[in-house]
Amino acid sequence: DTGVSQDPRHKITKRGQNVTFRCDPISEHNRLYWYRQTLGQGPEFLTYFQNEAQLEKSRLLSDRFSAERPKGSFSTLEIQRTEQGDSAMYLCASSLLAASTDTQYFGPGTRLTVL
Amino acid sequence: AQSVSQHNHHVILSEAASLELGCNYSYGGTVNLFWYVQYPGQHLQLLLKYFSGDPLVKGIKGFEAEFIKSKFSFNLRKPSVQWSDTAEYFCAVNDRSGTYKYIFGTGTRLKVLA
Repeated sequence: DTGVSQDPRHKITKRGQNVTFRCDPISEHNRLYWYRQTLGQGPEFLTYFQNEAQLEKSRLLSDRFSAERPKGSFSTLEIQRTEQGDSAMYLCASSLLAASTDTQYFGPGTRLTVL
Repeated sequence: AQSVSQHNHHVILSEAASLELGCNYSYGGTVNLFWYVQYPGQHLQLLLKYFSGDPLVKGIKGFEAEFIKSKFSFNLRKPSVQWSDTAEYFCAVNDRSGTYKYIFGTGTRLKVLA
């Protein structure tokens, strides 16, 4: 399977703990996006990378959130001191930006439950 | 601010019925438009996309969508639905002048009765 992969698929944690999610994009894709999806809503943009540079962060991304994409390959999203409001599906997408077009391909997501 | 509206939150149809799901967006610049589908237990998959040219675009599984610029709309259609089309459908836009991040609608849950 050469699609976007995410690990873990499910994470249950206690409030106050730190969690880290990983995303492996489609190889050769230069852009990587993180979204968050809560029940009954569409995905909401969190942040994105072009190669290894993090170019934009949403105001949804509090100081407890940090994302990295070392060497422009896989990416990690870390949430420190988790809160119950962080419970959501975290989606990763990748794309190859070309000529004003950008089609994103999504991974299966990591479902986070904070108890 | 950019926004996407999907007015139908839940739709129930019988097999062979025709489908039209509404999508309207609010954005002043040039956008790309997408419809994604999420089948139960699966990840978001691209149904179709519009970048430029013919405003009527065809996607996979017999779906099509029409971009009407004057109405800021990109409605999804299928002439005859099947039970296997039961899924959640998301409309999304991204701008061409910035990050290309997606703005999604809230989604429409479609249930097709056999």
